[in-house]
Amino acid sequence: TQLLEQSPQFLSIQEGENLTVYCNSSSVFSSLQWYRQEPGEGPVLLVTVVTGGEVKKLKRLTFQFGDARKDSSLHITAAQPGDTGLYLCAGAWNTGNQFYFGTGTSLTVIP
Amino acid sequence: NAGVTQTPKFQVLKTGQSMTLQCAQDMNHEYMSWYRQDPGMGLRLIHYSVGAGITDQGEVPNGYNVSRSTTEDFPLRLLSAAPSQTSVYFCASSYFSDYGYTFGSGTRLTVV
Repeated sequence: TQLLEQSPQFLSIQEGENLTVYCNSSSVFSSLQWYRQEPGEGPVLLVTVVTGGEVKKLKRLTFQFGDARKDSSLHITAAQPGDTGLYLCAGAWNTGNQFYFGTGTSLTVIP
Repeated sequence: NAGVTQTPKFQVLKTGQSMTLQCAQDMNHEYMSWYRQDPGMGLRLIHYSVGAGITDQGEVPNGYNVSRSTTEDFPLRLLSAAPSQTSVYFCASSYFSDYGYTFGSGTRLTVV
């Protein structure tokens, strides 16, 4: 059962464009993480958000946690080819529980 | 630090064979997990452990066993391999479940 929905599934954009990817659930998260995965490698943690309405920035990446803690978004400004990869969100529904992953958004940034 | 080390990196099994995927971490993390990743399915949790001697099932535990005799090691055993277990397997560890995971580089398993 897939509890986390990510959209879009695939995204191909030109270098310099902005983009937003989404992660949604019908349940309230206790916390949510975003990861980036490159081919042949394991996911690498980008950020953890725990408070409704929280916004975190990591260089050109902006992460937002919804007020109701049921959704999150990742916005990339001026995308670069190095941003290419699979972006995964992972949510926990109770503190101390395991994180469950969405299906990911595959991003390709064309030079 | 080596982080999370998974071996082997690639493996081909025949249906019915058994094998153990190894996972070791050198960060003194209490929390360890096994995930499988299939196209269009994301990462699905197989088993996890909150510390030595304690394990529990995740979303897709059937056909897999785990044990945690030490903090460092968390092997995953396939009892009788089936083609449906063809996948990429990732081991991950964390200080605590709410912290970010550190992932290994994966084991690509093919069952024929």
